[in-house]
Amino acid sequence: AQKITQTQPGMFVQEKEAVTLDCTYDTSDQSYGLFWYKQPSSGEMIFLIYQGSYDEQNATEGRYSLNFQKARKSANLVISASQLGDSAMYFCAMTEAAGNKLTFGGGTRVLVKP
Amino acid sequence: DAMVIQNPRYQVTQFGKPVTLSCSQTLNHNVMYWYQQKSSQAPKLLFHYYDKDFNNEADTPDNFQSRRPNTSFCFLDIRSPGLGDAAMYLCATSRDVTGGQPQHFGDGTRLSIL
Repeated sequence: AQKITQTQPGMFVQEKEAVTLDCTYDTSDQSYGLFWYKQPSSGEMIFLIYQGSYDEQNATEGRYSLNFQKARKSANLVISASQLGDSAMYFCAMTEAAGNKLTFGGGTRVLVKP
Repeated sequence: DAMVIQNPRYQVTQFGKPVTLSCSQTLNHNVMYWYQQKSSQAPKLLFHYYDKDFNNEADTPDNFQSRRPNTSFCFLDIRSPGLGDAAMYLCATSRDVTGGQPQHFGDGTRLSIL
Protein backbone atom coordinates (compact mmCIF):
# COMPACT_ATOMS: atom_id res chain seq x y z
CA ALA A 1 0.00 0.00 0.00
CA GLN A 2 1.08 3.51 -0.71
CA LYS A 3 1.70 6.07 1.95
CA ILE A 4 2.39 9.80 1.70
CA THR A 5 3.82 11.76 4.61
CA GLN A 6 3.92 15.51 4.98
CA THR A 7 5.66 16.32 8.24
CA GLN A 8 5.02 20.08 8.29
CA PRO A 9 1.46 20.80 9.40
CA GLY A 10 1.91 24.54 8.93
CA MET A 11 4.48 27.15 8.10
CA PHE A 12 4.93 30.85 7.65
CA VAL A 13 6.90 32.35 4.80
CA GLN A 14 7.80 35.94 4.06
CA GLU A 15 6.49 37.39 0.83
CA LYS A 16 9.01 37.14 -2.03
CA GLU A 17 10.99 34.41 -0.29
CA ALA A 18 11.20 30.77 -1.37
CA VAL A 19 9.62 27.95 0.63
CA THR A 20 10.15 24.20 0.54
CA LEU A 21 7.34 21.82 1.46
CA ASP A 22 8.41 18.33 2.42
CA CYS A 23 6.88 15.12 1.13
CA THR A 24 8.05 11.56 1.55
CA TYR A 25 6.36 8.51 0.15
CA ASP A 26 6.42 4.79 0.44
CA THR A 27 5.53 2.35 -2.30
CA SER A 28 6.60 -1.02 -3.63
CA ASP A 29 5.74 -0.03 -7.19
CA GLN A 30 8.51 0.82 -9.62
CA SER A 31 6.20 3.00 -11.67
CA TYR A 32 4.27 5.73 -9.91
CA GLY A 33 3.38 9.38 -10.18
CA LEU A 34 3.76 12.20 -7.69
CA PHE A 35 1.58 15.29 -7.66
CA TRP A 36 1.22 18.51 -5.74
CA TYR A 37 -2.12 20.22 -5.34
CA LYS A 38 -3.01 23.58 -3.80
CA GLN A 39 -6.25 24.06 -1.90
CA PRO A 40 -7.18 27.66 -1.01
CA SER A 41 -9.67 28.32 1.76
CA SER A 42 -12.44 28.38 -0.84
CA GLY A 43 -12.00 24.63 -1.24
CA GLU A 44 -11.08 23.89 -4.84
CA MET A 45 -8.09 21.63 -5.51
CA ILE A 46 -5.68 23.13 -8.02
CA PHE A 47 -3.15 20.91 -9.79
CA LEU A 48 0.35 22.39 -9.57
CA ILE A 49 2.98 19.96 -10.76
CA TYR A 50 3.64 16.32 -11.64
CA GLN A 51 6.70 14.05 -11.48
CA GLY A 52 6.82 10.56 -12.91
CA SER A 53 8.97 7.97 -11.20
CA TYR A 54 11.01 7.44 -14.38
CA ASP A 55 11.49 11.13 -15.08
CA GLU A 56 15.18 11.91 -14.71
CA GLN A 57 14.78 15.66 -14.54
CA ASN A 58 12.98 17.50 -11.78
CA ALA A 59 9.65 18.92 -12.88
CA THR A 60 9.16 22.69 -13.04
CA GLU A 61 6.05 24.79 -13.66
CA GLY A 62 6.56 28.51 -13.40
CA ARG A 63 7.37 29.33 -9.76
CA TYR A 64 6.89 25.70 -8.72
CA SER A 65 9.58 23.07 -8.88
CA LEU A 66 9.66 19.55 -7.55
CA ASN A 67 12.85 18.31 -5.90
CA PHE A 68 12.62 14.59 -6.65
CA GLN A 69 15.05 12.34 -4.79
CA LYS A 70 14.07 8.82 -5.71
CA ALA A 71 16.53 6.99 -3.48
CA ARG A 72 15.26 8.95 -0.48
CA LYS A 73 11.65 8.61 -1.65
CA SER A 74 11.08 12.30 -1.32
CA ALA A 75 9.28 14.77 -3.59
CA ASN A 76 9.58 18.21 -2.05
CA LEU A 77 7.79 21.20 -3.56
CA VAL A 78 9.69 24.46 -3.86
CA ILE A 79 7.73 27.67 -4.34
CA SER A 80 9.95 30.55 -5.38
CA ALA A 81 9.18 34.23 -4.83
CA SER A 82 6.18 33.61 -2.61
CA GLN A 83 3.09 35.74 -3.14
CA LEU A 84 0.22 36.50 -0.78
CA GLY A 85 -2.02 34.42 -3.03
CA ASP A 86 0.12 31.37 -2.28
CA SER A 87 -1.44 31.15 1.19
CA ALA A 88 -3.28 27.83 1.10
CA MET A 89 -3.15 24.17 2.03
CA TYR A 90 -0.76 22.13 -0.10
CA PHE A 91 -1.19 18.41 -0.64
CA CYS A 92 1.33 15.93 -1.93
CA ALA A 93 -0.31 12.96 -3.64
CA MET A 94 0.62 9.78 -5.42
CA THR A 95 -0.76 7.38 -7.99
CA GLU A 96 0.39 3.85 -8.48
CA ALA A 97 1.16 2.09 -11.76
CA ALA A 98 -2.17 0.29 -11.98
CA GLY A 99 -4.81 2.94 -12.04
CA ASN A 100 -4.91 6.65 -11.45
CA LYS A 101 -6.29 6.82 -7.91
CA LEU A 102 -4.76 9.56 -5.80
CA THR A 103 -3.52 8.93 -2.28
CA PHE A 104 -3.00 12.19 -0.45
CA GLY A 105 -0.68 13.23 2.33
CA GLY A 106 -2.01 15.11 5.32
CA GLY A 107 -1.24 18.51 3.85
CA THR A 108 0.84 21.54 4.83
CA ARG A 109 -0.80 24.89 5.48
CA VAL A 110 1.26 27.81 4.17
CA LEU A 111 0.69 31.38 5.26
CA VAL A 112 2.55 34.08 3.35
CA LYS A 113 3.26 37.19 5.39
CA PRO A 114 3.54 40.62 3.76
CA ASP B 1 -12.84 27.13 -20.64
CA ALA B 2 -13.21 23.40 -20.15
CA MET B 3 -13.98 22.69 -16.55
CA VAL B 4 -15.49 20.61 -13.79
CA ILE B 5 -18.61 22.11 -12.21
CA GLN B 6 -20.15 21.06 -8.95
CA ASN B 7 -23.59 22.08 -7.79
CA PRO B 8 -24.49 23.34 -5.34
CA ARG B 9 -21.48 24.90 -3.61
CA TYR B 10 -23.21 24.56 -0.25
CA GLN B 11 -25.83 21.99 0.66
CA VAL B 12 -27.70 21.65 3.92
CA THR B 13 -29.79 18.59 4.62
CA GLN B 14 -31.46 16.99 7.58
CA PHE B 15 -30.24 13.93 9.38
CA GLY B 16 -31.48 10.90 7.47
CA LYS B 17 -32.87 12.85 4.51
CA PRO B 18 -31.46 11.68 1.15
CA VAL B 19 -29.31 14.17 -0.70
CA THR B 20 -27.78 14.27 -4.17
CA LEU B 21 -24.70 16.18 -5.21
CA SER B 22 -24.04 16.95 -8.83
CA CYS B 23 -20.91 17.12 -10.97
CA SER B 24 -20.58 17.95 -14.64
CA GLN B 25 -17.55 18.26 -16.90
CA THR B 26 -16.81 19.76 -20.29
CA LEU B 27 -13.38 18.12 -20.57
CA ASN B 28 -14.81 14.97 -22.18
CA HIS B 29 -12.77 12.89 -19.76
CA ASN B 30 -13.44 9.20 -19.39
CA VAL B 31 -12.95 9.01 -15.64
CA MET B 32 -14.89 10.78 -12.90
CA TYR B 33 -14.04 10.52 -9.21
CA TRP B 34 -15.75 11.43 -5.95
CA TYR B 35 -13.73 12.34 -2.88
CA GLN B 36 -14.83 13.08 0.67
CA GLN B 37 -12.78 15.62 2.61
CA LYS B 38 -13.55 16.16 6.27
CA SER B 39 -12.37 19.25 8.09
CA SER B 40 -8.57 19.53 8.30
CA GLN B 41 -8.09 16.17 6.61
CA ALA B 42 -6.88 14.98 3.24
CA PRO B 43 -9.38 14.01 0.56
CA LYS B 44 -10.40 10.37 0.58
CA LEU B 45 -11.53 8.57 -2.56
CA LEU B 46 -15.05 7.15 -2.35
CA PHE B 47 -15.41 5.70 -5.86
CA HIS B 48 -14.82 6.41 -9.51
CA TYR B 49 -16.33 5.70 -12.90
CA TYR B 50 -14.23 4.70 -15.87
CA ASP B 51 -16.73 5.27 -18.65
CA LYS B 52 -19.71 3.30 -17.37
CA ASP B 53 -17.70 0.99 -15.13
CA PHE B 54 -18.26 1.76 -11.46
CA ASN B 55 -15.36 1.19 -9.06
CA ASN B 56 -16.11 1.37 -5.37
CA GLU B 57 -13.40 1.72 -2.73
CA ALA B 58 -13.45 -1.12 -0.22
CA ASP B 59 -14.11 1.11 2.78
CA THR B 60 -16.78 3.34 1.24
CA PRO B 61 -19.99 2.98 3.29
CA ASP B 62 -23.05 1.51 1.57
CA ASN B 63 -24.84 4.75 2.36
CA PHE B 64 -22.94 6.35 -0.53
CA GLN B 65 -23.99 5.63 -4.09
CA SER B 66 -23.15 7.13 -7.46
CA ARG B 67 -24.69 7.42 -10.90
CA ARG B 68 -23.18 8.42 -14.21
CA PRO B 69 -25.96 8.75 -16.78
CA ASN B 70 -23.62 10.04 -19.49
CA THR B 71 -20.02 11.16 -20.03
CA SER B 72 -20.65 14.67 -18.77
CA PHE B 73 -22.53 14.08 -15.55
CA CYS B 74 -21.93 12.17 -12.34
CA PHE B 75 -24.00 12.22 -9.17
CA LEU B 76 -23.25 11.35 -5.57
CA ASP B 77 -26.25 10.08 -3.60
CA ILE B 78 -26.20 9.82 0.17
CA ARG B 79 -29.17 7.70 1.13
CA SER B 80 -29.41 8.48 4.84
CA PRO B 81 -26.93 11.17 5.83
CA GLY B 82 -25.54 11.02 9.33
CA LEU B 83 -23.75 13.75 11.24
CA GLY B 84 -20.44 12.11 10.33
CA ASP B 85 -21.11 12.68 6.64
CA ALA B 86 -20.73 16.43 6.97
CA ALA B 87 -17.76 17.22 4.74
CA MET B 88 -16.56 18.79 1.53
CA TYR B 89 -17.29 16.53 -1.44
CA LEU B 90 -14.94 16.93 -4.37
CA CYS B 91 -15.53 15.70 -7.89
CA ALA B 92 -12.57 15.19 -10.20
CA THR B 93 -11.95 13.95 -13.72
CA SER B 94 -9.06 12.50 -15.67
CA ARG B 95 -8.63 11.48 -19.28
CA ASP B 96 -8.09 7.83 -18.42
CA VAL B 97 -6.75 5.62 -15.65
CA THR B 98 -3.17 5.54 -16.87
CA GLY B 99 -0.99 6.49 -13.95
CA GLY B 100 0.25 10.03 -14.09
CA GLN B 101 -2.86 11.68 -15.47
CA PRO B 102 -3.55 14.87 -13.50
CA GLN B 103 -6.99 14.94 -11.98
CA HIS B 104 -9.00 18.09 -12.52
CA PHE B 105 -11.17 19.05 -9.58
CA GLY B 106 -14.35 21.02 -9.25
CA ASP B 107 -14.83 23.65 -6.57
CA GLY B 108 -16.48 21.15 -4.24
CA THR B 109 -19.81 20.96 -2.43
CA ARG B 110 -19.75 21.62 1.29
CA LEU B 111 -22.41 19.45 2.93
CA SER B 112 -23.87 20.26 6.32
CA ILE B 113 -26.18 17.96 8.26
CA LEU B 114 -28.75 19.37 10.67
